[in-house]
Amino acid sequence: DAGVTQSPTHLIKTRGQQVTLRCSPKSGHDTVSWYQQALGQGPQFIFQYYEEEERQRGNFPDRFSGHQFPNYSSELNVNALLLGDSALYLCASSRGPDQPQHFGDGTRLSIL
Amino acid sequence: KQEVTQIPAALSVPEGENLVLNCSFTDSAIYNLQWFRQDPGKGLTSLLLIQSSQREQTSGRLNASLDKSSGRSTLYIAASQPGDSATYLCAVENNDMRFGAGTRLTVKP
Repeated sequence: DAGVTQSPTHLIKTRGQQVTLRCSPKSGHDTVSWYQQALGQGPQFIFQYYEEEERQRGNFPDRFSGHQFPNYSSELNVNALLLGDSALYLCASSRGPDQPQHFGDGTRLSIL
Repeated sequence: KQEVTQIPAALSVPEGENLVLNCSFTDSAIYNLQWFRQDPGKGLTSLLLIQSSQREQTSGRLNASLDKSSGRSTLYIAASQPGDSATYLCAVENNDMRFGAGTRLTVKP
């Protein structure tokens, strides 16, 4: 039973570029949440997707957007990358919006 | 705004010691509190989840307590082992999940 899978594992971009990160939820899960974890910090909630819609959003600018597909997988898009966007991006899935979340290993994004 | 604080930020102990990690939060209106483990460069592994109506949860050598009224939780690790070395994060959930910055634990053989 595959857990939450994220791709790519690592990514290097330059300032101003755009990036797309991908997440496949654990089997049987229909809700996907995204988090940003800066070095030495705890994860910060970006947004949550359920039934292909953004259900909740944290305090992140509009440069951060997402999508959920009919098969429950999800993408996180970040436009106009800044140096401060360098972080580990974690995806978590759950059986519904208020259920315990299972985390993937993340995508390490470095901005040069 | 919910603030989650974890003390200490780092802890180093010899193998076999019992230890306590602390977590405090400012808003007691939470659905649940969860303790996670994070190994370097990896994602989060859930250790224990305490619902708001519960006082504690146990799993093997781990015991977590929750005192909502005082905004505090502790994670007790018994008979620590080198394999317990990791960062431990607590998170509280209301409308979203808020994390502390974690405690980096090193257990020396």
